[in-house]
Amino acid sequence: QQQVKQSPQSLIVQKGGISIINCAYENTAFDYFPWYQQFPGKGPALLIAIRPDVSEKKEGRFTISFNKSAKQFSLHIMDSQPGDSATYFCAASDAMNYGGSQGNLIFGKGTKLSVKP
Amino acid sequence: DAGVIQSPRHEVTEMGQEVTLRCKPISGHNSLFWYRQTMMRGLELLIYFNNNVPIDDSGMPEDRFSAKMPNASFSTLKIQPSEPRDSAVYFCASSFLGGEKLFFGSGTQLSVL
Repeated sequence: QQQVKQSPQSLIVQKGGISIINCAYENTAFDYFPWYQQFPGKGPALLIAIRPDVSEKKEGRFTISFNKSAKQFSLHIMDSQPGDSATYFCAASDAMNYGGSQGNLIFGKGTKLSVKP
Repeated sequence: DAGVIQSPRHEVTEMGQEVTLRCKPISGHNSLFWYRQTMMRGLELLIYFNNNVPIDDSGMPEDRFSAKMPNASFSTLKIQPSEPRDSAVYFCASSFLGGEKLFFGSGTQLSVL
């Protein structure tokens, strides 16, 4: 119920291509869905996030697509660049029902993206 | 702002020794989180504090783990005694209470031999 399942585990994309990472969840109480990006030797950093009242959010080359009925959301990276090579984590929480805290933020297992030049 | 500061960056110790990890959150943030990252289990929340008070420690794996936050600018995670299966990267993160964005430190790579 509390899991967030992420796929694929690893992804290799050519420069200029589209990278797609998928996540699925079970808990219908989740109301906040962020994506974090992590470079080697660094902590994760928030990349982009969405709430379930919209089906898509775009920030530059990064887009989240959200399907509430299917309980799935995905990250699309357009025109992928070698500098995008990192590990990407999806996550979910119902912070509004958790005292406003991110204390129940559940992370997926991560996707290691390699963008080949 | 210097961000979340963790020390040490790397810790190598022998089984049975006490290990103390340290974290300085971003000034003004009033929520602090300790995570553990392993290949097998990914990112796991161990414990979090709101306004220096521990709110949920259900992620702490065993009584060997303890965490404290004596003031708004400092927190420790202690493992006593340490075991090889504790080897992982431990992250501290902070945020504003009610804020959506977590700010992570660079982590402490712990190796227990």
